[in-house]
Amino acid sequence: DAGVIQSPRHEVTEMGQEVTLRCKPISGHNSLFWYRQTMMRGLELLIYFNNNVPIDDSGMPEDRFSAKMPNASFSTLKIQPSEPRDSAVYFCASSPSGGGYSNQPQHFGDGTRLSIL
Amino acid sequence: GENVEQHPSTLSVQEGDSAVIKCTYSDSASNYFPWYKQELGKGPQLIIDIRSNVGEKKDQRIAVTLNKTAKHFSLHITETQPEDSAVYFCAAKGDNYGQNFVFGPGTRLSVLP
Repeated sequence: DAGVIQSPRHEVTEMGQEVTLRCKPISGHNSLFWYRQTMMRGLELLIYFNNNVPIDDSGMPEDRFSAKMPNASFSTLKIQPSEPRDSAVYFCASSPSGGGYSNQPQHFGDGTRLSIL
Repeated sequence: GENVEQHPSTLSVQEGDSAVIKCTYSDSASNYFPWYKQELGKGPQLIIDIRSNVGEKKDQRIAVTLNKTAKHFSLHITETQPEDSAVYFCAAKGDNYGQNFVFGPGTRLSVLP
């Protein structure tokens, strides 16, 4: 089975540019999560969707960040305008829900390493 | 809200020895505890998980134990191999938080040949 697919794997851009990160969750998973990982702050949840609807975006750092999930197989995280402090690895994860347990593991993609110059 | 602490932050063991990583959580409502392994340049990968109705779970060389009273859980790796070298993250989740995990800060494990 294909795992969570993220693109691009690496992105280097200049400060002020718009950055769009993309994610394809595992087919059949109906929860999708965007995380940011840095040495200083570890893994931070930015936003998560359930059935394509944003449920909690309290982790989004500021209005420069936005996320969409137009359908069950695609999500984007956009930064506009980008700043050097946005440099990090951004992960997308997906998770099934329901079944016998209310808690299900999250499955992560391999991330996008973003560098803002 | 939930707070997860993880110790040690770095751990070096000789190949063949055992490694133990411990996590504590603050919210007694947490009921699901996964462990993730992250290799360089990769995303975290689930290696084992445990739910609050179970005290211990094993999968080959990996085991996890849970002490709900003390609110801590541990990852045990036996007969370590160089390919076990990675960063390990614990996490805690409860129904109160929807689908949110709270991750520990990670432990960098080095297995020396």
